[in-house]
Amino acid sequence: DTGVSQDPRHKITKRGQNVTFRCDPISEHNRLYWYRQTLGQGPEFLTYFQNEAQLEKSRLLSDRFSAERPKGSFSTLEIQRTEQGDSAMYLCASSPRTGVNNEQFFGPGTRLTVL
Amino acid sequence: DQQVKQNSPSLSVQEGRISILNCDYTNSMFDYFLWYKKYPAEGPTFLISISSIKDKNEDGRFTVFLNKSAKHLSLHIVPSQPGDSAVYFCAASAYTGNQFYFGTGTSLTVIP
Repeated sequence: DTGVSQDPRHKITKRGQNVTFRCDPISEHNRLYWYRQTLGQGPEFLTYFQNEAQLEKSRLLSDRFSAERPKGSFSTLEIQRTEQGDSAMYLCASSPRTGVNNEQFFGPGTRLTVL
Repeated sequence: DQQVKQNSPSLSVQEGRISILNCDYTNSMFDYFLWYKKYPAEGPTFLISISSIKDKNEDGRFTVFLNKSAKHLSLHIVPSQPGDSAVYFCAASAYTGNQFYFGTGTSLTVIP
């Protein structure tokens, strides 16, 4: 399977704990995105990488959130001191380098539940 | 603020008939629009897109129409099939295409 993969698919944690999610994009895609989706809403942009550089961050990305893409391949999203409001589906997407307007290919998401 | 709006949370259509899903946007800087389809427990999958230089784009049973003056786009599915039953999201981006703004989705049910 050469699509975008995310791990884990589900995560249940207690409030105050730290969690880390991983995203493996499609191998030739140099752009990587993180989104958050809550019930009844569409995906909301969190952050964007081009290769290893984090070029955009949403206001939604509070200081408890940090994302990395150390070698321009896989990416991690860490949430520190989780809160119940962090419960959501976290989606990763990637797109190729060519062109300006390219569709983003989404992974299956990581569903986070904070108790 | 919701820059992309899908005002119909759900839509039911008979198999073989046309499904029309609507989307409105507020940001006049948006120039690239996409439709994604989402099944439960899966990420969104790309369906069709349109650039603001066009007013129509067609791909098989799927056609997207763009009315820039009204800031409105629609997705037509003809003929609708039961396998089309899913949540459809409209998305938009400005020139750089780095950030997509999504609507809240419309759940389509195609009745056999």
